[in-house]
Amino acid sequence: DAGVIQSPRHEVTEMGQEVTLRCKPISGHDYLFWYRQTMMRGLELLIYFNNNVPIDDSGMPEDRFSAKMPNASFSTLKIQPSEPRDSAVYFCASSFSRGGMGGRNQPQHFGDGTRLSIL
Amino acid sequence: TQLLEQSPQFLSIQEGENLTVYCNSSSVFSSLQWYRQEPGEGPVLLVTVVTGGEVKKLKRLTFQFGDARKDSSLHITAAQPGDTGLYLCAGTTNAGNNRKLIWGLGTSLAVNP
Repeated sequence: DAGVIQSPRHEVTEMGQEVTLRCKPISGHDYLFWYRQTMMRGLELLIYFNNNVPIDDSGMPEDRFSAKMPNASFSTLKIQPSEPRDSAVYFCASSFSRGGMGGRNQPQHFGDGTRLSIL
Repeated sequence: TQLLEQSPQFLSIQEGENLTVYCNSSSVFSSLQWYRQEPGEGPVLLVTVVTGGEVKKLKRLTFQFGDARKDSSLHITAAQPGDTGLYLCAGTTNAGNNRKLIWGLGTSLAVNP
């Protein structure tokens, strides 16, 4: 089975431009997570979805960030307008809710990330 | 705020040495997960520990969950260059249907041949 697929792998753009990151979760997974990783702050959860519905977006830094999940096999994270401080590696992860404790101990399966550089 | 502190932050050792890395918190977690992340890739789950005092082994890796479920350790025996990577711990809570993981900053391990 294919894992979580993210695109693009690398993105370099100038500040002020719109950036769109894409994610295809593992088929059958009902949870999708967007993370940002930096050396200073580690992995930060931005937002997560359950059955395509946003559950918690408290980690989204500001209104410049938005995320959508129009169907079970696709999600986007947009930054508009982008700023240099948004430079980071952005990960998408998915998991499923079967198993004990409502699947709370199920692993999160990560994509290989998008390395974003805003000049 | 629940926090997970990992130590050491960086570790560089020679092939064949043993090492232990730690994941500590003042909060109780219902479970802890350990992930390894290699350069250019996303984290990959190694193990989940659920019961206080639990010990799990994965080949040369031994994971332990503290009795009070506030801390965990990872011990690697006879480290190999293939063990190089960022080791991350992540905790889960019993809070309702919350699926958030609380992440540590990780231990970056380099095993030199």
